[in-house]
Amino acid sequence: DAGVIQSPRHEVTEMGQEVTLRCKPISGHNSLFWYRQTMMRGLELLIYFNNNVPIDDSGMPEDRFSAKMPNASFSTLKIQPSEPRDSAVYFCASERGQGTEAFFGQGTRLTVV
Amino acid sequence: DAKTTQPTSMDCAEGRAANLPCNHSTISGNEYVYWYRQIHSQGPQYIIHGLKNNETNEMASLIITEDRKSSTLILPHATLRDTAVYYCIVKRGRRNTGTASKLTFGTGTRLQVTL
Repeated sequence: DAGVIQSPRHEVTEMGQEVTLRCKPISGHNSLFWYRQTMMRGLELLIYFNNNVPIDDSGMPEDRFSAKMPNASFSTLKIQPSEPRDSAVYFCASERGQGTEAFFGQGTRLTVV
Repeated sequence: DAKTTQPTSMDCAEGRAANLPCNHSTISGNEYVYWYRQIHSQGPQYIIHGLKNNETNEMASLIITEDRKSSTLILPHATLRDTAVYYCIVKRGRRNTGTASKLTFGTGTRLQVTL
């Protein structure tokens, strides 16, 4: 398996633009996590899904952020409109189920100018 | 999920054992102790996890105290490539229920392995 695949690896966008980050979890994993990492705040859990259903989105910063998981093999994290303070590395992770480990993608480095 | 406390940073000489402590005094009966590490700019990497027994794999050993209020991750022969931030996480779970619980990262321990 190729592991958790995130795209794009790098994204530079202008303030106000819509940004969509993509994640393909490991096949057979039924839980998916989205994280944001900055120097100031560390690794923050934004939202996670079990069996394509959002379970906890309490970490989503505000209404500008939304996440979807239309099927077991794909998830998106959308920011609309983007702001400079959204600049961070965004990680996606997947897990087979409780009692197992999570596997992380290589992240998307987002820069909003 | 229970909160964990780790030292901010540690140093270790290459070839020596690195012992990374973690306190989780509020851990409850169905919570596991997980360790991950993050090497600069990469996604976090799973190392090991346990419930109450000591665990060992090809990367590390995990020693959990009998009262489960603290644990130690041991890298038996640290190398320069082990320089990373190490996260101790307590996470609810029962094996193979098919759904995950929250995986929340703290600030971790920055381990510097030196020559």
